[in-house]
Amino acid sequence: NAGVMQNPRHLVRRRGQEARLRCSPMKGHSHVYWYRQLPEEGLKFMVYLQKENIIDESGMPKERFSAEFPKEGPSILRIQQVVRGDSAAYFCASSPWFTGGSQPQHFGDGTRLSIL
Amino acid sequence: AQTVTQSQPEMSVQEAETVTLSCTYDTSESDYYLFWYKQPPSRQMILVIRQEAYKQQNATENRFSVNFQKAAKSFSLKISDSQLGDAAMYFCALQGGSEKLVFGKGTKLTVNP
Repeated sequence: NAGVMQNPRHLVRRRGQEARLRCSPMKGHSHVYWYRQLPEEGLKFMVYLQKENIIDESGMPKERFSAEFPKEGPSILRIQQVVRGDSAAYFCASSPWFTGGSQPQHFGDGTRLSIL
Repeated sequence: AQTVTQSQPEMSVQEAETVTLSCTYDTSESDYYLFWYKQPPSRQMILVIRQEAYKQQNATENRFSVNFQKAAKSFSLKISDSQLGDAAMYFCALQGGSEKLVFGKGTKLTVNP
């Protein structure tokens, strides 16, 4: 009964490096969502993916950020050339299908990204 | 655009007492869902309670209940018999017409012994 697994729990990068955040959805879930939580803020939607498809990336910054959910393996959120403003907690959630809210999204414990 | 507003950045309550956290929202969708999530210092996002907009009956989960006023677009959370373990950030969230959850900025709840 493993829930949504995110790793690493805490990631430290220097400015200009790349950050890769991983998310394995709950067993049987094929829809993944990424959210970002800046300090003292609520979570903000970034991207919604199904296996091999990006469904909605309306919350993703236009540059440096990308996400994928391959047929095999975890979903990856990739941030290139990180800057101090990327410091935040990044949460992944999953659901079994398109629910519209009829089934709640299940959240992982988040990855805290710190930029030196 | 959908918005969620939590007007109380911080609240406090005495152990065993009752506290109400406020949330208002805006959406043009006719079918939507409202949620309260709890985020303790461990940073997990824990679903507390969920309300379907087409249901008039207020949702309850043990000591947690909501006051859902659809016309006023208000969705407050009442915690009865508060316990020390209830201390956390509480986020109100809305989902309607898409798979995005829209969150408020949160209310930090302190429970005093």
